[in-house]
Amino acid sequence: DVKVTQSSRYLVKRTGEKVFLECVQDMDHENMFWYRQDPGLGLRLIYFSYDVKMKEKGDIPEGYSVSREKKERFSLILESASTNQTSMYLCASLIGTEAFFGQGTRLTVV
Amino acid sequence: AQKVTQAQTEISVVEKEDVTLDCVYETRDTTYYLFWYKQPPSGELVFLIRRNSFDEQNEISGRYSWNFQKSTSSFNFTITASQVVDSAVYFCALSEGSTLGRLYFGRGTQLTVWP
Repeated sequence: DVKVTQSSRYLVKRTGEKVFLECVQDMDHENMFWYRQDPGLGLRLIYFSYDVKMKEKGDIPEGYSVSREKKERFSLILESASTNQTSMYLCASLIGTEAFFGQGTRLTVV
Repeated sequence: AQKVTQAQTEISVVEKEDVTLDCVYETRDTTYYLFWYKQPPSGELVFLIRRNSFDEQNEISGRYSWNFQKSTSSFNFTITASQVVDSAVYFCALSEGSTLGRLYFGRGTQLTVWP
């Protein structure tokens, strides 16, 4: 079974902190994605990556950056966390047209 | 503009009722894929089905069925004889041939099944 693992289920950070959300997949997939989920808004794409060291902006990249130094790991970085980044973050990896999602990280910025 | 519209924000039914979740999509690509995902309270997205644009056959899997109609750009999901365990948020999603891999999600429908 494909496994996509996000490093934390719940995270509480202070405003202004630099925050790293980690995602690891074990199936050598090239494509990885970070989504943000908010009530009533569904899932919105923040960033995605088609290969190591490659990244592309999604629909809501402002305030975020990403890093993909190894194929299996895709990190989402909040350079200076703000309260409006309190949300559920979901990572996905893709093979063909099928996406596999991690369990999600619920981030609260106080 | 939303590429995927799920007009029903919340639906409540009583166990054993049938329920249909609506999904309307918008794309100019001739090749595309449609998906349904389930998100139970635990939070993880569970893949339910994928359909490509060239296959309009309806599909049935146990109590679940899907009705794909290109003429109305709809991909509706029906649960027959609903159960309490069906309570979840359901998302419809679209992947276009021109940007394969990138999923566009609807806003989700919260289904609550009461005993």
